[in-house]
Amino acid sequence: AQTVTQSQPEMSVQEAETVTLSCTYDTSENNYYLFWYKQPPSRQMILVIRQEAYKQQNATENRFSVNFQKAAKSFSLKISDSQLGDTAMYFCAFPTSGGSEKLVFGKGTKLTVNP
Amino acid sequence: DTAVSQTPKYLVTQMGNDKSIKCEQNLGHDTMYWYKQDSKKFLKIMFSYNNKELIINETVPNRFSPKSPDKAHLNLHINSLELGDSAVYFCASSQSGTGRSPLHFGNGTRLTVT
Repeated sequence: AQTVTQSQPEMSVQEAETVTLSCTYDTSENNYYLFWYKQPPSRQMILVIRQEAYKQQNATENRFSVNFQKAAKSFSLKISDSQLGDTAMYFCAFPTSGGSEKLVFGKGTKLTVNP
Repeated sequence: DTAVSQTPKYLVTQMGNDKSIKCEQNLGHDTMYWYKQDSKKFLKIMFSYNNKELIINETVPNRFSPKSPDKAHLNLHINSLELGDSAVYFCASSQSGTGRSPLHFGNGTRLTVT
């Protein structure tokens, strides 16, 4: 079974500092995509960043970047210059395969950015 | 505005009642989904439709019945509501449903069954 694991239920960081959220997954596929979603207290689910497994270069979106280690099946999210508005639940997600693709989510990491 | 919109935002009802949640997307996407987020924030897929055709049906009680009148709409009807149905229900859409394109989520419907 394909699974996604986020081992840090909660994390906190000081404003302007850098924090890394971890995610590991299990798959037998070779080509796939990985996603990080953010859910602030407003409840809205927002795409943060997407990584294509066949690309060796790590994806970057402004202050958000990933450290993708395909062999280790690791997909961590780095947030630089943390801002108060980054306070949210962060979910790592990975599509299963087999003809009926569906996105499987990790259990989430609750990130609090402190002033 | 282009978006995934779902109504209502909040739904409070009593056990045994029947309720519906509506979802519409104007992004031109082919695939729509229903996800359930429980009290521990765990998100799990319930259903997926591609061009009005059901393609994913997870282990969900048959009291839950999705309906897709066209590819821009996916509604969720729930019969005989139970306490355990209390959760946040998210509608989402994606371009292809192949796992390559990201999901675009509605703002969720918080269902409370008393």
